[in-house]
Amino acid sequence: EVHLVESGGGLVQPGGSLRLSCSASGFTFDGYSMHWVRQAPGKGLEYISGINYNGHTTYYADSVRGRFAISRDNSRNTLYLQMSSLRPEDTAVFYCAKSYYYGEAAPFDSWGQGALVTVSS
Amino acid sequence: QSALTQPPSASGSPGQSVTISCTGTSSDVGRYDYVYWYQQHPGKAPKLLIYEVNKRPSGVPGRFSGSKSGNTASLTVSGLQADDEADYYCSSYAGSNNPLFGGGTKLTVL
Repeated sequence: EVHLVESGGGLVQPGGSLRLSCSASGFTFDGYSMHWVRQAPGKGLEYISGINYNGHTTYYADSVRGRFAISRDNSRNTLYLQMSSLRPEDTAVFYCAKSYYYGEAAPFDSWGQGALVTVSS
Repeated sequence: QSALTQPPSASGSPGQSVTISCTGTSSDVGRYDYVYWYQQHPGKAPKLLIYEVNKRPSGVPGRFSGSKSGNTASLTVSGLQADDEADYYCSSYAGSNNPLFGGGTKLTVL
């Protein structure tokens, strides 16, 4: 069974940094693209970033490009999201998600439970 | 403002059918057969219900079905059950590996 567990969320001041981790198990981690999707309180889903199976290709939404960096360590079955220059509007639950199959159009078939990031002074 | 447009709410009685729409443009929903639907119960992670317009992952009941016409995709839930009460999000591939999401529809089972 696929299991994704996010960690690293918390309260951070505007302008600060935070690194989220997503520990994966139950599937061949280095065979799939992985992604981060966030959900602001009471709002809808927003795609943030993705990384291909070997980490050589990354994707970012305009809202976070230049401030967030996605990476992965396939030896540790772990996905990361380094967030810097955080803004109050970045406050959200951040989900890591796995691609269902190969290809950039693939949907996300497994999601973590989410990590809450609160940006406030 | 979300890239894909969904009605904010929908409702139906147990046993009935309800359809939720998702309107995009000729650059996303209208161009690709890569439309997805997710179900999200309160406080839970989203769950993939439909992929590639009308395909169901293993374990998703046949009561959930998807379709598309032009720039509008639809999710139909038949034989409504109490547990179907949740938020539903559509999503579409739009090129450049940046999937779009709808604003979500809250389905209430009366």
